Amino acid sequence: NAGVMQNPRHLVRRRGQEARLRCSPMKGHSHVYWYRQLPEEGLKFMVYLQKENIIDESGMPKERFSAEFPKEGPSILRIQQVVRGDSAAYFCASSPPSVGYGYTFGSGTRLTVV
Amino acid sequence: TQLLEQSPQFLSIQEGENLTVYCNSSSVFSSLQWYRQEPGEGPVLLVTVVTGGEVKKLKRLTFQFGDARKDSSLHITAAQPGDTGLYLCAGGNTGTASKLTFGTGTRLQVTL
Repeated sequence: NAGVMQNPRHLVRRRGQEARLRCSPMKGHSHVYWYRQLPEEGLKFMVYLQKENIIDESGMPKERFSAEFPKEGPSILRIQQVVRGDSAAYFCASSPPSVGYGYTFGSGTRLTVV
Repeated sequence: TQLLEQSPQFLSIQEGENLTVYCNSSSVFSSLQWYRQEPGEGPVLLVTVVTGGEVKKLKRLTFQFGDARKDSSLHITAAQPGDTGLYLCAGGNTGTASKLTFGTGTRLQVTL
């Protein structure tokens, strides 16, 4: 009974490259959320997706960031033309439809832009 | 914009002491969750409270949701080194799955 799987765990990109972060939700969970965490800070909401739909992307930067959750396969958070300020830990969480069960988080992807 | 402020920001105590962490907001939330995060890992859900005034106990941890559903507290009795970590509260707005607003975090260190 695997939990939320994120890969890679660590990702190093040079400025201007693309970063692609993957998240496979828990079995039976249909909702996926992406959060960003800077060192010593709380988590900031980025985007909430269901299969093939973006439900809420109010936390996503307007440029360079995109997310998808296709019918088949993992959810992808894509950052184009990365800059040093994108360096952070990116966490994916999944949940069943009711918030009463809470989120299950993955172990995160730590993105370092050099 | 809804904000959740946690206090204290940092807390260093010795094993066996009691402590309380507070989570406050000017906004009402329909549910509130507490998570613990260890270095290099994702947050792990400790509890969800949904009713104003609700109190939940999890071994040495006691969680309370304020009557007005704007604040919450986490009390740890007889802290142990294994309690060390970053404690995060998070508020939810609707009865169905939705984004959570996370608090600023309380970093707890328990020493021998």
